Amino acid sequence: DIVMTQSPLSSPVTRGQPASISCRSSQSLVHSDGNTYLSWLQQRPGQPPRLLIYKISNRFSGVPDRFSGSGAGTDFTLKISRVEAEDVGVYYCMQATQFPHSFGQGTKLEIK
Amino acid sequence: QVQLVESGGGVVQPGGSLRLSCAGSGFTFSTYGMHWVRQAPGKGLEWVAFIRYDGRNKYHADSVKGRFTISRDNSKNTVYLQMNSLRAEDTAVYYCAKDLRGWENYWGRGTLVTVSS
Repeated sequence: DIVMTQSPLSSPVTRGQPASISCRSSQSLVHSDGNTYLSWLQQRPGQPPRLLIYKISNRFSGVPDRFSGSGAGTDFTLKISRVEAEDVGVYYCMQATQFPHSFGQGTKLEIK
Repeated sequence: QVQLVESGGGVVQPGGSLRLSCAGSGFTFSTYGMHWVRQAPGKGLEWVAFIRYDGRNKYHADSVKGRFTISRDNSKNTVYLQMNSLRAEDTAVYYCAKDLRGWENYWGRGTLVTVSS
């Protein structure tokens, strides 16, 4: 099974400052079809998760361009260029390359 | 717009059974694989099960294998999760989701299952 490891688990950030979350997988996430099924999800307090980024770096419709994803193989990063108050919540990386699918532990983003 | 609405949650005793439903609308349900994902209170997300668009392939997490079964009825645009031999550690909000691989990834609002005597 693929284990997803995120860091940090908690990230206090000043509004307007950047934030970065790292996600590492225990195996390569490159699928036999050539795609890498690594996504980032945001879960605001009291809400279900919602997709931010799919296939490493593609922003979901309506996601602000201050969110960006990068990486390859086993190492991935989510960056927020300028954190805003509405970005508070928990961020998860998720791999859907192999069954069982799996999530990182989550990174709690809060405003200082 | 895409909607996924879960139902069937509630309080059940250890060892009991429950069937969750998830009704999809706003998309061609019969052409998408569907997932169940759960979240224990205050915890992270755990993938539970997947069923292919035509129901021919199913996968379950080891933690639920032999106790939970995913199924679907494309004539009703509904995916199910039959949960048997429930344990306290199955207490969670259960979400259904579509397309965990790509840009058509949507989640329902979830239904709460509480296993307690």
